[in-house]
Amino acid sequence: KAGVTQTPRYLIKTRGQQVTLSCSPISGHRSVSWYQQTPGQGLQFLFEYFSETQRNKGNFPGRFSGRQFSNSRSEMNVSTLELGDSALYLCASGLAGHQETQYFGPGTRLLVL
Amino acid sequence: AQSVTQPDIHITVSEGASLELRCNYSYGATPYLFWYVQSPGQGLQLLLKYFSGDTLVQGIKGFEAEFKRSQSSFNLRKPSVHWSDAAEYFCAVGARGGSYIPTFGRGTSLIVHP
Repeated sequence: KAGVTQTPRYLIKTRGQQVTLSCSPISGHRSVSWYQQTPGQGLQFLFEYFSETQRNKGNFPGRFSGRQFSNSRSEMNVSTLELGDSALYLCASGLAGHQETQYFGPGTRLLVL
Repeated sequence: AQSVTQPDIHITVSEGASLELRCNYSYGATPYLFWYVQSPGQGLQLLLKYFSGDTLVQGIKGFEAEFKRSQSSFNLRKPSVHWSDAAEYFCAVGARGGSYIPTFGRGTSLIVHP
């Protein structure tokens, strides 16, 4: 079975721009979670989607948003980028009813200049 | 609120030596407990998890962890470290029932000397 895939793997943007990151979960997984990883704050939960609905949300500003499609693929969007948004963005997927066991993708490295 | 502490930022061991990485958590009851490993530039790989039952949990790559309720700890161990084990290790906790929002420790960087 293929693992979680994330595209693109690397991205450079400038302040004020917006960015969209994509995540394809493991086949059969319906839960998709997003995390931000930075040296200063560590791993922080952004949000979780299940069956196209946001089920949980972390403590991030409204500039961070996401969605999930009927095939369970998910996108996250960050608008009006700030320098502090530079991070590794990780996506994780899980089975319905077992969302606590998460399988992570390789991440998208975002650099904001 | 739940929290996780990994007291050691860096740990250095010689190849072939034993390893123990510490993890302490704060939570009102017994949470779900996890250990992940992250190689440079990669995502997190699940090493093992504890939900209930036997407090000694076996994972992949020869790792094991022991849940000690009295000490609120979930330490990761390996009897003999290989150079390929050099990586960042994260402990995580998650609440049972309701909304599942895991909390991760800050990580322990393992350095392996030949």
